[in-house]
Amino acid sequence: SQTIHQWPATLVQPVGSPLSLECTVEGTSNPNLYWYRQAAGRGLQLLFYSVGIGQISSEVPQNLSASRPQDRQFILSSKKLLLSDSGFYLCAWSVGTSSGNTIYFGEGSWLTVV
Amino acid sequence: DAKTTQPNSMESNEEEPVHLPCNHSTISGTDYIHWYRQLPSQGPEYVIHGLTSNVNNRMASLAIAEDRKSSTLILHRATLRDAAVYYCILILCGNQFYFGTGTSLTVIP
Repeated sequence: SQTIHQWPATLVQPVGSPLSLECTVEGTSNPNLYWYRQAAGRGLQLLFYSVGIGQISSEVPQNLSASRPQDRQFILSSKKLLLSDSGFYLCAWSVGTSSGNTIYFGEGSWLTVV
Repeated sequence: DAKTTQPNSMESNEEEPVHLPCNHSTISGTDYIHWYRQLPSQGPEYVIHGLTSNVNNRMASLAIAEDRKSSTLILHRATLRDAAVYYCILILCGNQFYFGTGTSLTVIP
C-alpha cells in the first residue's frame, strides 16, 4: 500500500533563517507531488506541484522554492523565512491525469516563524 | 481553475442528516466533482466524487443536479467525528487540485 511521510512535524524558526521540509512517498511510481500551505483559519493554498523529476510548477510567487531530486521525494525550501511564511504545510500525492483520481495528504508540518 | 461556492459554516444535530451544498455554475462537461474533508490539525481526506450520476459510498452520498451546476454532499447520520471542514472541488486534469475555504461543519451533541 502507498504511504506518504512528511517531516519535521513541527518547527519554530527565526525570521531570515532557511527552511527545508521533506516529503517522501512509498508504494507507487511516478506520482504527482504537491505542496500546500494553510494559514491559521484559512483555506488550502497550492504552492507547487510536480509531475516528474525536476519538473516543478509554481502557483504562487513567493520566497519559497521546491525541488524533486528523486521520483518519490519532494522538498520545500526557503533561503530566508518571513513571518508570513508561518502556517501548516501539507505534502500530497496523486497518480496519473484522470479526473477521477484522488489526492492523498501527509500528516502536515507546523511552521512558526518568530 | 474552475470555481466552487460553499457556505462558510453549517451546524447539525448529532444523528441527524446533513446536506452540504456546493455551487459550480461554470463547470465544464469533463470536470469531476470531488469532496474532501479536513479534520483539525490533519490533511484533507477523500470523501466521494462523481461526474453526472449520484454516488454512494460508506462515508456519504453525493447528489449531482441534472444541469451539474450544483451538488450536495449528504451525511446520513452526523456524528461528532464528522465535525470538519468540507471542501467541494472540481477536477479537470487529474494532477491539479485547487481547494477553496470549504464549509466548516459543527455537530451539536
